[in-house]
Amino acid sequence: SAVISQKPSRDICQRGTSLTIQCQVDSQVTMMFWYRQQPGQSLTLIATANQGSEATYESGFVIDKFPISRPNLTFSTLTVSNMSPEDSSIYLCIAKMGAEQFFGPGTRLTVL
Amino acid sequence: AQSVSQHNHHVILSEAASLELGCNYSYGGTVNLFWYVQYPGQHLQLLLKYFSGDPLVKGIKGFEAEFIKSKFSFNLRKPSVQWSDTAEYFCAVLDQTGANNLFFGTGTRLTVIP
Repeated sequence: SAVISQKPSRDICQRGTSLTIQCQVDSQVTMMFWYRQQPGQSLTLIATANQGSEATYESGFVIDKFPISRPNLTFSTLTVSNMSPEDSSIYLCIAKMGAEQFFGPGTRLTVL
Repeated sequence: AQSVSQHNHHVILSEAASLELGCNYSYGGTVNLFWYVQYPGQHLQLLLKYFSGDPLVKGIKGFEAEFIKSKFSFNLRKPSVQWSDTAEYFCAVLDQTGANNLFFGTGTRLTVIP
């Protein structure tokens, strides 16, 4: 199994600023994903974090707004850039190891 | 791309009532199916999963789900709900031949009245 931690667990940010969220896994995983859960909605995939190369973004999400890094098999970051209140959401890191999926605790972001 | 439908947005039940939450998915190939629960203020937890074999899957806390391939469905059931089952329930599908990421349904909020 894998245990995932995310930092920060929550933050309140001002409009126009950026926040970087870290996702750390305690073992090597094949794939890491970043999801967003907006208030009252389901989880939407932002992108797949690829080790050593650019992330693969889903429709509606772009690298300039959500730059992602994955320098190794256990760590990834998601930056929410130039934030607006519409970015207020829970951001969730999910790791895949074999057929199993493991969830981070999420980062609750509020943008004022 | 995959899509997952949960037709019940909000279900309100009295304690001891039986529960069935619907989940339908769009893909006809080989899939893995999951139900997750999110209690108020907490993060997602796995209730149960189906990979292969017996289509009736038993999970934690008395939940079960039945995979019906012909109907592209994976409905969640519990014979007798408790107040502590009040939560948001998400169905998710993993396309084994595709992008390997989970596709989530829109969720069903369950409120159990004592």
